[in-house]
Order: sequence, then C-alpha cells, then structure tokens
Amino acid sequence: GAVVSQHPSRVICKSGTSVKIECRSLDFQATTMFWYRQFPKQSLMLMATSNEGSKATYEQGVEKDKFLINHASLTLSTLTVTSAHPEDSSFYICSASIMRGFGYTFGSGTRLTVV
Amino acid sequence: GDSVTQMEGPVTLSEEAFLTINCTYTATGYPSLFWYVQYPGEGLQLLLKATKADDKGSNKGFEATYRKETTSFHLEKGSVQVSDSAVYFCALSEGTSGSRLTFGEGTQLTVNP
Repeated sequence: GAVVSQHPSRVICKSGTSVKIECRSLDFQATTMFWYRQFPKQSLMLMATSNEGSKATYEQGVEKDKFLINHASLTLSTLTVTSAHPEDSSFYICSASIMRGFGYTFGSGTRLTVV
Repeated sequence: GDSVTQMEGPVTLSEEAFLTINCTYTATGYPSLFWYVQYPGEGLQLLLKATKADDKGSNKGFEATYRKETTSFHLEKGSVQVSDSAVYFCALSEGTSGSRLTFGEGTQLTVNP
C-alpha cells in the first residue's frame, strides 16, 4: 500500500516551454506532498511543501513563479516548470507523508532535460 | 535547525563483507529516523525506520538502532550482496504528520562480486 505514481519518468523539452509533472497517490489520501530536486550525486533538496486545497510553501531560494505547484485534490499534486531553461534540467521527486512516524512514500522521479 | 550527517562515500565492498554506514543527527525534539535507498534512476524506497530511542529498525538484513545518547542511527548489514549497490540516505522528521524530511548527503555503496 501507500503508492505514489509519478509521471512522466523522463521528459525532454525545448527552452522556453513549460513541463508538468504529476504525482498521484494511488491507494491513500495525501494531505501533504513534498517536491524535491536532486542534482547528480547529491542529496535531495526540498523545493516546496503542498497541502491539499491551499497554496504551497516554498523553500528559500525557490522561485514560486517558475515552479508552480498545485494540490487540488487529496490524490493529485502537480509541479509545472514554466519557461524552462537548461539549468532547470534535473531529477524531480515527489513524496507524500502518510502519518506521523509512519514514513513517507516517494514517487519514482522525473528526469527533466531542457535543450 | 535539524541536520543529518552521513559518512562520506563512496563505499566499495566485496560481496559478503560487513557494512556500516554512519549517521548522526541534530534535532531539537524527538525525531523519527529513517534509512532510504535509491537505485539508479529511481525514486527513494524506505529501507527501515525507528520512531523512538532504542528502537531497532530492520529490513532485508539491514539494521539500525536509534541511539539517543549518541544521536546516531548507523546502518549495518552483516553480509552485503551485489544487489545492495545503491545510494543510501539517512533522514529524520520531527513533529506531526506532514513534517518535512531532513536528509543526509547520501552514501554511494558499490558491492563487487
């Protein structure tokens, strides 16, 4: 149980275009979703925390207008990278908290390449 | 603020060797502690967890004990396999459901046949 499905797994887009990444909780309701970015051989950097039905809370240094997060339902959160540039190329991972102390479940990640 | 420090990698071992990956933490309260594993090109999978002092998490031959006195949560396995090659992340979370995870830097493990 507690599966998060993340799509797409890989995407290549042209500079200036926008890309949407979806994360769905398949068998539970995710009131809180986390979005991370991971650079090669590095740890995960938390970008933002989203709660269903409210605005996302962004970490310092993360551009809100560039990384749009929507959490309109208890089973779906989306990250849209707007006007993508090559420096946005990275591995993006979503995660949902299940319950206190129980843990967090992660999506399989999205490899974004901007050309 | 909270922080997690892992031993520097990469770690290279031969099959059936003993594994230890050190993890220490700094937290203001009583966090839950986790070990996650990441295989190439994939997301993170929960390996094991412990929610209070002296708890031992275990899974797939891996173990880690929550040591409050030394603020540590070291990962161990008695006999590693080639299939254990991956990146291992130590992490903590504080507070109620919905609290963020704080990750360590990750440790790359390579097991050679």
